[in-house]
Amino acid sequence: NAGVTQTPKFQVLKTGQSMTLQCAQDMNHEYMSWYRQDPGMGLRLIHYSVGAGITDQGEVPNGYNVSRSTTEDFPLRLLSAAPSQTSVYFCASSYPTGSGANVLTFGAGSRLTVL
Amino acid sequence: SQQGEEDPQALSIQEGENATMNCSYKTSINNLQWYRQNSGRGLVHLILIRSNEREKHSGRLRVTLDTSKKSSSLLITASRAADTASYFCAPSKGGANNLFFGTGTRLTVIP
Repeated sequence: NAGVTQTPKFQVLKTGQSMTLQCAQDMNHEYMSWYRQDPGMGLRLIHYSVGAGITDQGEVPNGYNVSRSTTEDFPLRLLSAAPSQTSVYFCASSYPTGSGANVLTFGAGSRLTVL
Repeated sequence: SQQGEEDPQALSIQEGENATMNCSYKTSINNLQWYRQNSGRGLVHLILIRSNEREKHSGRLRVTLDTSKKSSSLLITASRAADTASYFCAPSKGGANNLFFGTGTRLTVIP
């Protein structure tokens, strides 16, 4: 049981390049989400999905696309990288508990630098 | 959003001492969770307390919730160097609702 797996762990891009951060979970969780973490800003929600074929925007969706073709995978695409997207990105998944709480399992993070 | 605000921003204690950090939020909730983040790692769920609970224990962790004051506290007793991490609260209305995180409390436990 690998949990939530993110790849790559580190990536350096040039401004204007595009790339995809991969996220996969093997826990059959319906809910998946992407956060970015910046110093002094905490974690901010980018996009989320409540099931295959369903995605929605979070707090800071601009410049990012997502899709959810399977329950297991939730890739995050940077369309045209900008230095402001330099950050650590975390993918998380969850299955509501019996009381309806959404307990998240996080990946190890992907550190992205945009030059 | 349902974001909680942790206080203090940073806390430094000696090993063996207790550490207390606080969380305040603004809207009604169904539950509140605490997460830990070790440097360079993802967040790890520690404990969940429901809105009808006032206190909950898990090992050396004690969480309280006061819904009338919209606040929660996390107490770590007999702290260890390995407790050095950032701690985040996540108040939630429950269900599949998203979790929103503040900037956390950075705890340093000095051996």
